[in-house]
Amino acid sequence: DAGVTQSPTHLIKTRGQQVTLRCSPKSGHDTVSWYQQALGQGPQFIFQYYEEEERQRGNFPDRFSGHQFPNYSSELNVNALLLGDSALYLCASSLEVGELFFGEGSRLTVL
Amino acid sequence: KQEVTQIPAALSVPEGENLVLNCSFTDSAIYNLQWFRQDPGKGLTSLLLIQSSQREQTSGRLNASLDKSSGRSTLYIAASQPGDSATYLCAAARRGSWGKLQFGAGTQVVVTP
Repeated sequence: DAGVTQSPTHLIKTRGQQVTLRCSPKSGHDTVSWYQQALGQGPQFIFQYYEEEERQRGNFPDRFSGHQFPNYSSELNVNALLLGDSALYLCASSLEVGELFFGEGSRLTVL
Repeated sequence: KQEVTQIPAALSVPEGENLVLNCSFTDSAIYNLQWFRQDPGKGLTSLLLIQSSQREQTSGRLNASLDKSSGRSTLYIAASQPGDSATYLCAAARRGSWGKLQFGAGTQVVVTP
């Protein structure tokens, strides 16, 4: 049984560019949450998708947007990248109410 | 707003010693609390999930307790091994905000042979 898978694992962008990160949830899970983890800090909640809609959102600007597809996979898009967006982006999946399972993350470096 | 604190930020123990990791939270209206392990540059591995109605949860050498009245959770790791070296994070979910976990900054543990 595959767990949560994320792609790409690493990527480098320059300021002002746009990036798309992808997540496939654990089999049977219908809810996807995205987190940003800066170096040396705990993850910060970005937003959560359930039934293809954004259900909850953390304190992140509108430059951060997402999407959930009918197969429950999800994308995180970040526009107009800033140096401060450099971080590990983590995707977590769960049933609507249940234990969260995380992927290995996508390491984004903005130059 | 829920704040989660983990003290100490780093801990080094000799192999075989028991580990005690602390987590405190400010909002007692939590739905549950989850402990994770993170290896350098990797994702999070779920260790234990304690529902708000539970006092503790056990898995192998790991035991986690939850005291909502004092706003504390403790993770105990018995007979530590070098393979236990990692960063341990606790995270609280508030009622009505399931999936929106509030994380502490973690405790970095080194177990020396």
